[in-house]
Amino acid sequence: AQTVTQSQPEMSVQEAETVTLSCTYDTSESNYYLFWYKQPPSRQMILVIRQEAYKQQNATENRFSVNFQKAAKSFSLKISDSQLGDTAMYFCAFALNAGNMLTFGGGTRLMVKP
Amino acid sequence: DADVTQTPRNRITKTGKRIMLECSQTKGHDRMYWYRQDPGLGLRLIYYSFDVKDINKGEISDGYSVSRQAQAKFSLSLESAIPNQTALYFCATSDFGLGGEETQYFGPGTRLLVL
Repeated sequence: AQTVTQSQPEMSVQEAETVTLSCTYDTSESNYYLFWYKQPPSRQMILVIRQEAYKQQNATENRFSVNFQKAAKSFSLKISDSQLGDTAMYFCAFALNAGNMLTFGGGTRLMVKP
Repeated sequence: DADVTQTPRNRITKTGKRIMLECSQTKGHDRMYWYRQDPGLGLRLIYYSFDVKDINKGEISDGYSVSRQAQAKFSLSLESAIPNQTALYFCATSDFGLGGEETQYFGPGTRLLVL
């Protein structure tokens, strides 16, 4: 079974600064997908970024980028130029190639301060 | 993005009552999922369905049942609700991108309180 751990329950950052959210996972598989989801107060789960394990290049989506360290089983999310609208819960998630059932971490609550 | 709707958005019920949460999607996705979210535990998979004739148990299926009435509809039932089923429930659908990658799209969630 796979597990996903987010060790930072809460974080805060000043607007326009950069923040990094940590995620580690445990699996014996070599092919898999990793995700970061954002959950704002509206409760909607929004996909932020996805990384395929077979790709060495770190995924980027505008101000969001990841640092994927496969050997260390680490998948951190960097948010650059933080905006007030980035305030939300952030969930790291794992999925195998087949089926893609997501296993989620416990979440990190991020507060962006003006 | 997929249009995934959930009804009701909020529900209060009493212990022992039967309750159904409904999920509909308009994008023609074959795969649908039900998750439960508890504080500090993230989301956990209850049931999933890869097509109308396929139903599978997830991590925490005890106390729940599902029905895939059509490709677009996937309902979650609590046969006899208990207080520890108080949680936020999410439905999700998924499709495959051009590169074969699969992405899940979530509904807005149903907040359930069992008294």
